[in-house]
Amino acid sequence: EPEVTQTPSHQVTQMGQEVILRCVPISNHLYFYWYRQILGQKVEFLVSFYNNEISEKSEIFDDQFSVERPDGSNFTLKIRSTKLEDSAMYFCAIPGTGNPEAFFGQGTRLTVV
Amino acid sequence: GQQLNQSPQSMFIQEGEDVSMNCTSSSIFNTWLWYKQDPGEGPVLLIALYKAGELTSNGRLTAQFGITRKDSFLNISASIPSDVGIYFCAGLNYGGSQGNLIFGKGTKLSVKP
Repeated sequence: EPEVTQTPSHQVTQMGQEVILRCVPISNHLYFYWYRQILGQKVEFLVSFYNNEISEKSEIFDDQFSVERPDGSNFTLKIRSTKLEDSAMYFCAIPGTGNPEAFFGQGTRLTVV
Repeated sequence: GQQLNQSPQSMFIQEGEDVSMNCTSSSIFNTWLWYKQDPGEGPVLLIALYKAGELTSNGRLTAQFGITRKDSFLNISASIPSDVGIYFCAGLNYGGSQGNLIFGKGTKLSVKP
């Protein structure tokens, strides 16, 4: 059973629309991360989330992005007004026991048209 | 920001061959990680290295944390077809929070035609 489950696996959205990507870890974690990977490129850090607050964010994580833990278990990444260049795989990740960010979800493929 | 140079970009393997890839950085890291990514999946952690000079094995995989803390290599011995995929190195520095990963651009392993 995967440590982290992401939904949806694939989302197609029109430019300018809002999207919400979801991540559900098996067990409660205080630390949580979002990464993205544009097709054929490297994985890039977006944001880290600790104890219901953003602890670190990259330049990519601008005002169009937000993260929440709406109900104490799942985590969401929201993109308010999607752009074509937001098309990518989005991964959530959680730390493992003794390992940093050991477990990545299977990802959500976001396609903005 | 910090950048990782990963090489080679791609390589072809024949079953039974040994494979070697490496990552270098202009700045130091506290932790080096190696991940494998299969198509449409999230990165899977293979090996984590925490100390300069550390040599760690995981089955047929061996990785080393360079003594200068600016490089790492990954070796795969006696490759098999399921080794095909993209291998990413990642560096991590723990800051005030858990930190975030800087990924290399990946080494794509394919089977020799």
